[in-house]
Amino acid sequence: TQLLEQSPQFLSIQEGENLTVYCNSSSVFSSLQWYRQEPGEGPVLLVTVVTGGEVKKLKRLTFQFGDARKDSSLHITAAQPGDTGLYLCAGGGRGSTLGRLYFGRGTQLTVWP
Amino acid sequence: KAGVTQTPRYLIKTRGQQVTLSCSPISGHRSVSWYQQTPGQGLQFLFEYFSETQRNKGNFPGRFSGRQFSNSRSEMNVSTLELGDSALYLCASSLEGGQLYTGELFFGEGSRLTVL
Repeated sequence: TQLLEQSPQFLSIQEGENLTVYCNSSSVFSSLQWYRQEPGEGPVLLVTVVTGGEVKKLKRLTFQFGDARKDSSLHITAAQPGDTGLYLCAGGGRGSTLGRLYFGRGTQLTVWP
Repeated sequence: KAGVTQTPRYLIKTRGQQVTLSCSPISGHRSVSWYQQTPGQGLQFLFEYFSETQRNKGNFPGRFSGRQFSNSRSEMNVSTLELGDSALYLCASSLEGGQLYTGELFFGEGSRLTVL
């Protein structure tokens, strides 16, 4: 059973389009992180959100943490081929599971020129 | 500063063999975590070490084990390999691990294990 559900699993779009990736859970997390992974490499952290309702912007990427700290979304404006990759959300454990991240299965994004 | 280094990058084993993977964290990072990544299951948490102590463990059989040394370098071992153990094994380090609420991880490039 996956604690974090990401949707969609695959996304194939044209350069210039906008997109949103969702990360949902029934559990509350201490923090929510988004990573991007490219083939042959490990995931690289994009952003961490810790406060319910928090919104963070990283150039064309906008990240939002749900008010109840159970879900998050990643919105990309005017996608570019360089945005292609596997996007992973990860929730931070609490209490006895502090120090552990729970990952979603990821959204494979392909942006065509 | 140098990133997380994992060795070997690729390896092929046969069923029943055992394997040891190594991870050198970023200098100054005391927490090391291990994850297994497969296409079907995504990233699954194996265990986390902090100051040579296993602090968290995922739901993997006892064939999967690990340890951390005094210099924070870590190794994981898988004994009696099965076909289903074929995966990318990722090591990640963080400054304080669970002591910081953000728990941000810095990943290595992984060790790709193929079991035949």
